[in-house]
Amino acid sequence: GDSVTQMEGPVTLSEEAFLTINCTYTATGYPSLFWYVQYPGEGLQLLLKATKADDKGSNKGFEATYRKETTSFHLEKGSVQVSDSAVYFCALRTGGFKTIFGAGTRLFVKA
Amino acid sequence: DTGVSQNPRHKITKRGQNVTFRCDPISEHNRLYWYRQTLGQGPEFLTYFQNEAQLEKSRLLSDRFSAERPKGSFSTLEIQRTEQGDSAMYLCASRPKPGTGGPEAFFGQGTRLTVV
Repeated sequence: GDSVTQMEGPVTLSEEAFLTINCTYTATGYPSLFWYVQYPGEGLQLLLKATKADDKGSNKGFEATYRKETTSFHLEKGSVQVSDSAVYFCALRTGGFKTIFGAGTRLFVKA
Repeated sequence: DTGVSQNPRHKITKRGQNVTFRCDPISEHNRLYWYRQTLGQGPEFLTYFQNEAQLEKSRLLSDRFSAERPKGSFSTLEIQRTEQGDSAMYLCASRPKPGTGGPEAFFGQGTRLTVV
């Protein structure tokens, strides 16, 4: 079945450091790919999305490129801030009705 | 605020009691989902409604769980005879009608259930 694998956390970075969170997927068909962010005690917020191969999603300085050849959708940010501390979930949806999530990667950013 | 609204935000209950959660989706979103999220894990799909019809239920949804969406607007999720293993965050999400909007789901802030 469809699945998402993302790097285990926690990831701890200093402010202004470069961030990469790896995500790979397995899917039948051509999924839409997402990154969601979850702040402490909160629900999920859509961070960015990409709907077809080679699309780049971007938002708030975060970027991810849909790589069909490597079935990947890695999240990157050039300079993280303390306020970026949260849990990040990679997810996919194919033609079906449900979104499938990875286990999440917790990010801590130190001042 | 026109986002997905869930109530209550937190619920503490004794083992064996029944609990009910409510979800109000974004207006005009006819697709509604319930997910469960346990500590350190990603959300897992529980059930899906299109309008008032419950079209899919996960095997995670045991007989003690029931969900309704009687008028195709808000939804309720009831857990009967709660067990400690039911402790989790219960998330509701909605999407617009097929053929409209993007592929993403919009999530509420969740209801955190603690069974003691």
